[in-house]
Amino acid sequence: RKEVEQDPGPFNVPEGATVAFNCTYSNSASQSFFWYRQDCRKEPKLLMSVYSSGNEDGRFTAQLNRASQYISLLIRDSKLSDSATYLCVVNLGDSWGKLQFGAGTQVVVTP
Amino acid sequence: GAGVSQSPRYKVAKRGQDVALRCDPISGHVSLFWYQQALGQGPEFLTYFQNEAQLDKSGLPSDRFFAERPEGSVSTLKIQRTQQEDSAVYLCASSTSGVAKNIQYFGAGTRLSVL
Repeated sequence: RKEVEQDPGPFNVPEGATVAFNCTYSNSASQSFFWYRQDCRKEPKLLMSVYSSGNEDGRFTAQLNRASQYISLLIRDSKLSDSATYLCVVNLGDSWGKLQFGAGTQVVVTP
Repeated sequence: GAGVSQSPRYKVAKRGQDVALRCDPISGHVSLFWYQQALGQGPEFLTYFQNEAQLDKSGLPSDRFFAERPEGSVSTLKIQRTQQEDSAVYLCASSTSGVAKNIQYFGAGTRLSVL
């Protein structure tokens, strides 16, 4: 079983709609959580960190549920430029920042 | 001023050849990470450096893989006697210090194809 699991999608979303997806992680000692965005054939880039109380960054909202060990990402008012693969990323509890990535959820926003 | 720089961007090797992949992290970043990303998968951790010290190499898939960062800045990932299963994108990332919450910044990667 993988440490971080995601629905690969694709999630096909009309422009302007809302889309949400989760990932689950298996290591209860995980300390830090992130969503990274990766465009086709590009490097991963940090979208947002995920905090215990949940946090919002513009049209993006991230939630963390430690009890059930899942993280969610919600995108409101989807734009064509939101089309990408969203990687769920977990720090496994090592002190120095070793990250475990999910395989990604593909989002395709259509006109 | 740039971000993390990796070279070459693309590398084609014949099976059995040795390859060397270079990473130039963001200036002043103490921590440097190497990842391997296979098609359709997320990046998989290979190894970690704090300055010149290699503190974790648990993700290196075999003893054909070797990484170094002799002066605490530029790093090289070397793969000896390449195999077809080594074909992947090799990503380098750096961060300001070895703290779990610090953000890692990625380079554009080296796409390795072993024929």
